[in-house]
Amino acid sequence: DAKTTQPNSMESNEEEPVHLPCNHSTISGTDYIHWYRQLPSQGPEYVIHGLTSNVNNRMASLAIAEDRKSSTLILHRATLRDAAVYYCILRDGGGGNQFYFGTGTSLTVIP
Amino acid sequence: GAGVSQSPSNKVTEKGKDVELRCDPISGHTALYWYRQSLGQGLEFLIYFQGNSAPDKSGLPSDRFSAERTGGSVSTLTIQRTQQEDSAVYLCASSTRQGGYNEQFFGPGTRLTVL
Repeated sequence: DAKTTQPNSMESNEEEPVHLPCNHSTISGTDYIHWYRQLPSQGPEYVIHGLTSNVNNRMASLAIAEDRKSSTLILHRATLRDAAVYYCILRDGGGGNQFYFGTGTSLTVIP
Repeated sequence: GAGVSQSPSNKVTEKGKDVELRCDPISGHTALYWYRQSLGQGLEFLIYFQGNSAPDKSGLPSDRFSAERTGGSVSTLTIQRTQQEDSAVYLCASSTRQGGYNEQFFGPGTRLTVL
């Protein structure tokens, strides 16, 4: 299974942008890149996903490298509510359900 | 609308007892997933149901673990003869269809403690 590598933890000051990196050097052509986040004592929630092109939504932006071997989740202005564990996940778009959640990046937002 | 619900929210049991964990997915969602999250760890895939297809049980850690989904809706995860290493948060998620591009909606989880 294609796997992802993320830093264990990151810090950001409130109201500053945050760039959360993810390496996925063994990504296959049909793998979608998903980001979820998990707030304390809650189940994970969807943030954003993409395949090849950069993506924007109301929560975040996803920048995907041209070779697709890495991606970056961008939170444009971190708030205290963004403190969570962020998971970068590869999901097979061909219909399978093989994936790897990993341990994610724990984001601390400093007031 | 209603999200994914799970019950109970907390379960404390003694080693060797059987437990049943319930998941009510979002109405109309055909795909249902069970995960396990041990303290301080990421999510571990357990089992996946898609419509009427045979479930993917490849993530179940032992034959003490089983799951069923009745009528394509509610799912029950059963752990027989519980062990202390089974202590974890068990999360359920549902989505509208299989494939890599679907969004999974997670329930709040059931925290299982085996004494």
